[in-house]
Amino acid sequence: TQLLEQSPQFLSIQEGENLTVYCNSSSVFSSLQWYRQEPGEGPVLLVTVVTGGEVKKLKRLTFQFGDARKDSSLHITAAQPGDTGLYLCAGGSVSGKLIFGQGTTLQVKP
Amino acid sequence: GAVVSQHPSWVICKSGTSVKIECRSLDFQATTMFWYRQFPKQSLMLMATSNEGSKATYEQGVEKDKFLINHASLTLSTLTVTSAHPEDSSFYICSARRDGATDTQYFGPGTRLTVL
Repeated sequence: TQLLEQSPQFLSIQEGENLTVYCNSSSVFSSLQWYRQEPGEGPVLLVTVVTGGEVKKLKRLTFQFGDARKDSSLHITAAQPGDTGLYLCAGGSVSGKLIFGQGTTLQVKP
Repeated sequence: GAVVSQHPSWVICKSGTSVKIECRSLDFQATTMFWYRQFPKQSLMLMATSNEGSKATYEQGVEKDKFLINHASLTLSTLTVTSAHPEDSSFYICSARRDGATDTQYFGPGTRLTVL
């Protein structure tokens, strides 16, 4: 059974701080998705990474896919209150399903 | 592109009644759609995989006779919660995978179901 361990599960920081969220597994994934979800809404896709070692940037967000395609990280620089939300990583499996991490609830205080 | 809609966004029903939730891919075709359930402050729990023109595949522990799934076209999947009970109250989210693309799933806005 493929599992994705996401950490930390809760993070409360001040505006302007940097943070990193990790997703780790012992399994290889064909791709890795990162989503952000706000209360009462569906997850919104931030990025998809498919190549080992791939790095993608989305403004202040940097996403990295591990060389072996078993892990990924999301780094936010100078966090803002608007970054508050639930961040989900999800790995693409051979079955076609997405394997989700537990989620990281991020609170950025002004 | 890659917009998925869900209807209704919220519904309140009496115990014992059935509720239908629609999931539509608005600007792409999706042979495969997925239905998830989410509890407060938790990640998504996959309920079933919906395939156009064939029977849905349910995850272990999900009652197929209670959660009826129909995927009648390449842009529409429906989830019917039959004989709903208060324990079925939850946030239900669908997603769609664009045909010919990668594993990426695009999610609908979710449906909040409250059973009284």
